[in-house]
This record gives sequence, C-alpha cells and structure tokens, in this order.
Amino acid sequence: GQSLEQPSEVTAVEGAIVQINCTYQTSGFYGLSWYQQHDGGAPTFLSYNALDGLEETGRFSSFLSRSDSYCYLLLQELQMKDSASYFCAVSSAQGYQKVTFGTGTKLQVIP
Amino acid sequence: DSGVTQTPKHLITATGQRVTLRCSPRSGDLSVYWYQQSLDQGLQFLIQYYNGEERAKGNILERFSAQQFPDLHSELNLSSLELGDSALYFCASSVEGASGNTIYFGEGSWLTVV
Repeated sequence: GQSLEQPSEVTAVEGAIVQINCTYQTSGFYGLSWYQQHDGGAPTFLSYNALDGLEETGRFSSFLSRSDSYCYLLLQELQMKDSASYFCAVSSAQGYQKVTFGTGTKLQVIP
Repeated sequence: DSGVTQTPKHLITATGQRVTLRCSPRSGDLSVYWYQQSLDQGLQFLIQYYNGEERAKGNILERFSAQQFPDLHSELNLSSLELGDSALYFCASSVEGASGNTIYFGEGSWLTVV
C-alpha cells in the first residue's frame, strides 16, 4: 500500500521561509504532488515532481528525492494568506494511477 | 473554479436516513474520486472510478456505495447514516496519464447528520 508522513502543524512568521517535509512509502512510484487547502475550501494543486530535484512555481518550490522517499514544499516570503493545510500526495502506478494523500500539515503564518 | 461540480453544497439529515451526493467531473476527465474529510482531518480516500468502471477502493464503508454513469457523472450513496458520517465529501476528477495526474477537486458537499 501507500503511506505518507508529514508534520501535523507548523508555525512561521510573515515574510519568512518555511519548509514542510513529507516522507512516503509506495510501490510503483509515479510522482509526488502538493495541494493547498484553506479552511472550508477545496484542495487545490500546487506542484508536482516526477524526477529528483527542485521545481519552482513563484514563491513555492517542491523538492523530491526518490532514493530517500522524501520530499518537501518550500514557501518563501510567507504571507498571511498562506495559512492553510498542505497535503503531499503520492501517485503510484499499479496498472492504473492511484493517488494517496498524506494527513496534511496545518501552516499558521503569524505577524 | 476547478470545473468539478458537486451538489448539494450543504445537506442536513437524520440518523438512519439515506442521501445521494452528485458530482460532474471536468470536461474530458475520465477518472472520478470520492474523498471524505471529517473536521480537522485529512482526506480519506473512498473510491475511484475510471470511465464507468471501479478502479480502486479505499476506506469506504459497506453502507456507502458509488457509481459512475455513461455521461461520466458520479453519485455517492450514503445509507443508514450515523452521526459519525458528518463530514465534508469531496469529489475530484483527473485525466489519467496527464502530466502530474493533477486531481481537480469540487467545492465539496457538507453533510451533517443529526
């Protein structure tokens, strides 16, 4: 099966940088995605990594190390609106693509 | 707007009752997923359909069932409802094989069982 681990809560200061880590276990690894969810809202796609290395999208970057089954989401120049839950999700291919989400990290940005 | 439409947005019902949640995926998406999210909890995968066929099953209770119709819309049926079934139910869709297999979520259906 698939499993993911990420911290339940992280607090960071506005304007700072925060890193949210995620480790995963899966067979047939296909890719790793990050999603953002504000309270009461729908999860929205942030980034995707299929290969090792860093992917940058504006203030957000995501890093993947397949050999370590490890990834992280890096948020720079934090803004209050970045306060949300962040989910890592692993895509595995076992005849078909299956996506499993982690339990989510609640990020609180403080002034 | 993700393009995934869910109805109803809110639903209050009594224990023991049955409800049906409806989902229309994004145009062109063949895969539909259902997730349950209880208060301050993660996304619990319930079930996935691809082009009308069941693809994967997660922690879906026997009281729950789903299907995907020929027009690709999907319904999640919840029966013999219990207080613990109160949650936000998300439908999501994707195009399998697309880069990143991005899943697009609807706004969810809030179910309250009283």
